[in-house]
Amino acid sequence: GQNIDQPTEMTATEGAIVQINCTYQTSGFNGLFWYQQHAGEAPTFLSYNVLDGLEEKGRFSSFLSRSKGYSYLLLKELQMKDSASYLCAVRDQDYKLSFGAGTTVTVRA
Amino acid sequence: ETGVTQTPRHLVMGMTNKKSLKCEQHLGHNAMYWYKQSAKKPLELMFVYSLEERVENNSVPSRFSPECPNSSHLFLHLHTLQPEDSALYLCASSQDEGGYYEQYFGPGTRLTVT
Repeated sequence: GQNIDQPTEMTATEGAIVQINCTYQTSGFNGLFWYQQHAGEAPTFLSYNVLDGLEEKGRFSSFLSRSKGYSYLLLKELQMKDSASYLCAVRDQDYKLSFGAGTTVTVRA
Repeated sequence: ETGVTQTPRHLVMGMTNKKSLKCEQHLGHNAMYWYKQSAKKPLELMFVYSLEERVENNSVPSRFSPECPNSSHLFLHLHTLQPEDSALYLCASSQDEGGYYEQYFGPGTRLTVT
């Protein structure tokens, strides 16, 4: 089966930067997604990487290294509303999407 | 309404009951999905429909029965459930089943089996 690992929890201060790592071992690779999920709400799409490198979208950036089976999501200038669970998901050679268990980020004032 | 909607948002049912979850997408997508989300566990893909045909069934017990009458609607029929089936059930849609398109999720149905 697919194996996707990310830390369970992270805590950071408002205005700081947090980096959420995701490592994966899958049957082939056809892209990596990051989703944000606030408690009691639907996951929402944040970013997509299929080539190595950094993708930047405002305060959020996502990095991918296919050779290392590694990605990170970088959240800058943290705000209280960024407190949520962040899900890493990888699409394999059959285009099947597998999710990690999610990283709960708590932003403190 | 826009996006992906799910009803009901909360459901409590006994093990002998029969109920159905409904999902509707207003995005013109061709693929729809059912996921199960349990606390502290990864999202588990249950079923995938593409153009109203089931393309994937991830060894889901037969007490869960999906139905996709058209590309906008997806149902999950439930019967004789077990307490371990209590979870958040998420519906999602995407432009198509393959390719590089992100999935759009509904708010989920919080199911409790007593």
